[in-house]
Amino acid sequence: GAVVSQHPSRVICKSGTSVKIECRSLDFQATTMFWYRQFPKQSLMLMATSNEGSKATYEQGVEKDKFLINHASLTLSTLTVTSAHPEDSSFYICSAYRQLNSPLHFGNGTRLTVT
Amino acid sequence: DQQVKQNSPSLSVQEGRISILNCDYTNSMFDYFLWYKKYPAEGPTFLISISSIKDKNEDGRFTVFLNKSAKHLSLHIVPSQPGDSAVYFCAASGGGTSYDKVIFGPGTSLSVIP
Repeated sequence: GAVVSQHPSRVICKSGTSVKIECRSLDFQATTMFWYRQFPKQSLMLMATSNEGSKATYEQGVEKDKFLINHASLTLSTLTVTSAHPEDSSFYICSAYRQLNSPLHFGNGTRLTVT
Repeated sequence: DQQVKQNSPSLSVQEGRISILNCDYTNSMFDYFLWYKKYPAEGPTFLISISSIKDKNEDGRFTVFLNKSAKHLSLHIVPSQPGDSAVYFCAASGGGTSYDKVIFGPGTSLSVIP
């Protein structure tokens, strides 16, 4: 069964608004979660590493003020796309390690469309 | 600069035959390699992994081979089934911690023809 839950699965918003995406680890605690982004027919690009109780670590080229990450508890990380623009339209996926020496598990992703 | 490469964007295989998906990497710090399967509008699903201390790992119809000296790995699926049709991503991590970030290749779209 799923070990990482992501919500919503799809969202449409207007340009200039903000959107929050939630990522929850199910039946395990995740001190670290990862946020990826995928454009159509492209690879999964790592955006940032979400750390419980501390600031997220962003990959090069990812605007931290635009993509706000909050990892307030051991089972929840949120990604907020602020002042969204059409070019932010993408598929956002979160992931977490269930335990040491296990593979990275992914949520089902969120399709964001900015009109 | 891509650290994980999959040079074949697509592959078609007849049902029952072997599918071989290839992957190359450039970062010698990578020590753990994974293959994920992905359908449109869904998150990737873990298939199989291999540590750099091994050169082969098998799980049912799936076998991953690792050639460290060539920085190359491959995923073999045999026999291939129509349900295997999906995009396959090769991924790698490293740096000495099991909670390290995972870097993905561009993916190979596999079509298994009945």
